Amino acid sequence: EAQVTQNPRYLITVTGKKLTVTCSQNMNHEYMSWYRQDPGLGLRQIYYSMNVEVTDKGDVPEGYKVSRKEKRNFPLILESPSPNQTSLYFCASSLSSGGWNGYTFGSGTRLTVV
Amino acid sequence: AQTVTQSQPEMSVQEAETVTLSCTYDTSESDYYLFWYKQPPSRQMILVIRQEAYKQQNATENRFSVNFQKAAKSFSLKISDSQLGDAAMYFCAYRSANYGGSQGNLIFGKGTKLSVKP
Repeated sequence: EAQVTQNPRYLITVTGKKLTVTCSQNMNHEYMSWYRQDPGLGLRQIYYSMNVEVTDKGDVPEGYKVSRKEKRNFPLILESPSPNQTSLYFCASSLSSGGWNGYTFGSGTRLTVV
Repeated sequence: AQTVTQSQPEMSVQEAETVTLSCTYDTSESDYYLFWYKQPPSRQMILVIRQEAYKQQNATENRFSVNFQKAAKSFSLKISDSQLGDAAMYFCAYRSANYGGSQGNLIFGKGTKLSVKP
């Protein structure tokens, strides 16, 4: 089944404790992206990647890191999480950047930083 | 930069009735794509319908249809014969037809929460 797999689904952590949210897709998509969703703000892009070893900042990149060492994986790293990073996070992929193809989304990660 | 505006934070509809969700966008591009995504309480993001800007004909998917007004930069979603399962957050989104860089990113509105009354 074609899908984007995101883990974990829920995560509670403490301020300053490094964490990684994993994202993997099995569709050989070139383009991958991370979004955060907050009430009243919609989905805002954190980082995106157009291909292996090619990543760039989105609209809200502060406090986050990403890497794209393999085409299928695009982990999101919070090296020192803070309470304002409490949010719902989505990983998404697309066949390519731009165009008719929308995104295929992961199931989301609910992160709480206390 | 492109922006997407959904002016209705919440909407309500009676089961079996019709409801229209509004979306406007701002862009200087002539070629682009527009999408409606549904997010039920399970929080999964589901593509409902999409429209190509250079096509005048409005897209239709079963009970879902759009009213695309390119000159007015308006892209509303009509849900006919509303069902309880339609209750969800709906997001309007824009994507450039240009490939490469940030132009290819999907830009979302803030969403409209739709409630369906039995």
